Amino acid sequence: DAGITQSPRYKITETGRQVTLMCHQTWSHSYMFWYRQDLGHGLRLIYYSAAADITDKGEVPDGYVVSRSKTENFPLTLESATRSQTSVYFCASSEWRLGTGELFFGEGSRLTVL
Amino acid sequence: SQKIEQNSEALNIQEGKTATLTCNYTNYSPAYLQWYRQDPGRGPVFLLLIRENEKEKRKERLKVTFDTTLKQSLFHITASQPADSATYLCALVAGGYQKVTFGTGTKLQVIP
Repeated sequence: DAGITQSPRYKITETGRQVTLMCHQTWSHSYMFWYRQDLGHGLRLIYYSAAADITDKGEVPDGYVVSRSKTENFPLTLESATRSQTSVYFCASSEWRLGTGELFFGEGSRLTVL
Repeated sequence: SQKIEQNSEALNIQEGKTATLTCNYTNYSPAYLQWYRQDPGRGPVFLLLIRENEKEKRKERLKVTFDTTLKQSLFHITASQPADSATYLCALVAGGYQKVTFGTGTKLQVIP
């Protein structure tokens, strides 16, 4: 199916482990984003990418790494997971040619760090 | 500092009434203001966009107003239905398409 898919949907890991959350979109949108959603904070931008091989930091980038070697994929890696990174992570895409900045979100990846 | 405020308390209304949700912001000059709907366990879904030079936008039972002087947007759902129960997020777009910043959302409960 076309759209934006995230995997895994649920992940439990331990402090200090590396975790990679995957995001794949089939629309060839230019922009891709990673947000985390926590109670009381809403959605906060971690990293975004304007195109393949172009990434930049958002509001809360510390402890995260991203890459975008292909337009359709935008993985998010937690190099050494901490409990404060327990959250729901949303990947999103958008296309500047639409002229609205509308974001298309995936279903989310719920990460628990023990 | 920049801030987007939505009523953090849940809004409960009777079916058939008009629901009005508020989004206030400070220290922003947004080019657009967007509204999204989020159901439990799902990603947000885009509903409406209003530009800085527009006062009002409508889509079916939805109406959004944007007052850049008051720095406020109101989101109305007329003839509300239980299926409208969800969390509604406002988002500001300023400084480029990558600059989408979200409020914390308001949970709406429509009571049959």
